[in-house]
Amino acid sequence: QKEVEQDPGPLSVPEGAIVSLNCTYSNSAFQYFMWYRQYSRKGPELLMYTYSSGNKEDGRFTAQVDKSSKYISLFIRDSQPSDSATYLCAMSGAGNTGKLIFGQGTTLQVKP
Amino acid sequence: EADIYQTPRYLVIGTGKKITLECSQTMGHDKMYWYQQDPGMELHLIHYSYGVNSTEKGDLSSESTVSRIRTEHFPLTLESARPSHTSQYLCASSEGSLWGYTFGSGTRLTVV
Repeated sequence: QKEVEQDPGPLSVPEGAIVSLNCTYSNSAFQYFMWYRQYSRKGPELLMYTYSSGNKEDGRFTAQVDKSSKYISLFIRDSQPSDSATYLCAMSGAGNTGKLIFGQGTTLQVKP
Repeated sequence: EADIYQTPRYLVIGTGKKITLECSQTMGHDKMYWYQQDPGMELHLIHYSYGVNSTEKGDLSSESTVSRIRTEHFPLTLESARPSHTSQYLCASSEGSLWGYTFGSGTRLTVV
């Protein structure tokens, strides 16, 4: 079983829709949770970072962590064509070793 | 703008050739990583380094080698390229898991 499972895509939504991207994990030691966005032919870029359970909001993006269920989500409100990309969840455990475990990514297409 | 640079961006090379993928960062990060990424698959860690003269193999078996003689430079070498090495190679650096990674734009390698 993979440590991190991410909902498979691809996901296609109309402009303005609310998008929900999800990951589950099995390692209860994970404490740091991140979402990366990767445009075609580019490297991933850090989009959101959370440490504790709960919600974190940044503009149209909300990251949600539920440690009891080992479940994290990224919500995108009022989705735009520029949001079309692959979204990767990533997480790591305690200690500053720096090694992240990534999900396989969900490709999102927002149609105008 | 990127503070971590990978060259070349694209490379097509014949079987049996020796190649070196370059990665440099200007942020002074101690931790650097090489990932392999295939379409629809999660990022696989192939090498990492926590500082000068420190290198470790990652979770994915790889026939490549790395070196870390200077903080800013972390090249990856394939002594004898094979078609199975065809993939995208991503270099990243970080101050630790608390801060996430900064990725380069990647090198897309094709071995024919």
